[in-house]
Amino acid sequence: LQLQESGPGVVRPSETLSLTCNVSAGPMSHSNYYWAWIRQSPGKGLEWIGSLYYDGASRYNPSLQSRVTISVDTFKNEISLKLTSVTAADTAVYFCARGTVGHCSIVGCSNWFDPWGQGTRVTVSP
Amino acid sequence: QSVLTQPPSVSGAPGQRVIISCTGSSSDIGAGLQVHWYQQLPGTAPKVLIYGDTYRPSGVPERFSASRSATSASLAISGLQAEDEADYYCQSSDSALKTVVFGTGTRLTVL
Repeated sequence: LQLQESGPGVVRPSETLSLTCNVSAGPMSHSNYYWAWIRQSPGKGLEWIGSLYYDGASRYNPSLQSRVTISVDTFKNEISLKLTSVTAADTAVYFCARGTVGHCSIVGCSNWFDPWGQGTRVTVSP
Repeated sequence: QSVLTQPPSVSGAPGQRVIISCTGSSSDIGAGLQVHWYQQLPGTAPKVLIYGDTYRPSGVPERFSASRSATSASLAISGLQAEDEADYYCQSSDSALKTVVFGTGTRLTVL
């Protein structure tokens, strides 16, 4: 399984960032797996953006929730990310990844990401 | 959104053993949610090193091991090699917000 992100390298402030992630093989829909976007600002750590689950449910980072949408096109084997009203703070390398659902308990399910795409760099600039 | 705390940097000489800590809270690690570890080599995407607290994916050397306690976890790297020089991140989930949380990241330098 390989993931490949693509999108514009530069986005203007206040516009919408749109990225796609092509999934090379395997079913897009499986109860043990889901899809996620994660970003890394220059010189910074990893920031989870959001996840789209097998049942169609989605969860987003509270700090981005009002601006982000993740969707999947199973016919094209693609996962999409849309982030509206971007600012310089959204400049980052954006990764897509497959999430695996692990141990579940009353407090929730553990999950990890593997594999990851190579990432695509996005710069927000006038 | 909680964040897991890691030391910014650790270092060790080839052959030595280093430990990277990951401190959480009662809403993530302390709630019983599992911890996972990633290695990010320079200029590359992160790769899972440990999942489910202690499990190594196939292909990950036995030199990498992990453990956890009440609200924290640790990654141990023994027999340090130059190729281990990378950034390491822990990751768990937030039980209250049902979100993913990453550690702040630790840069390992092999002296």
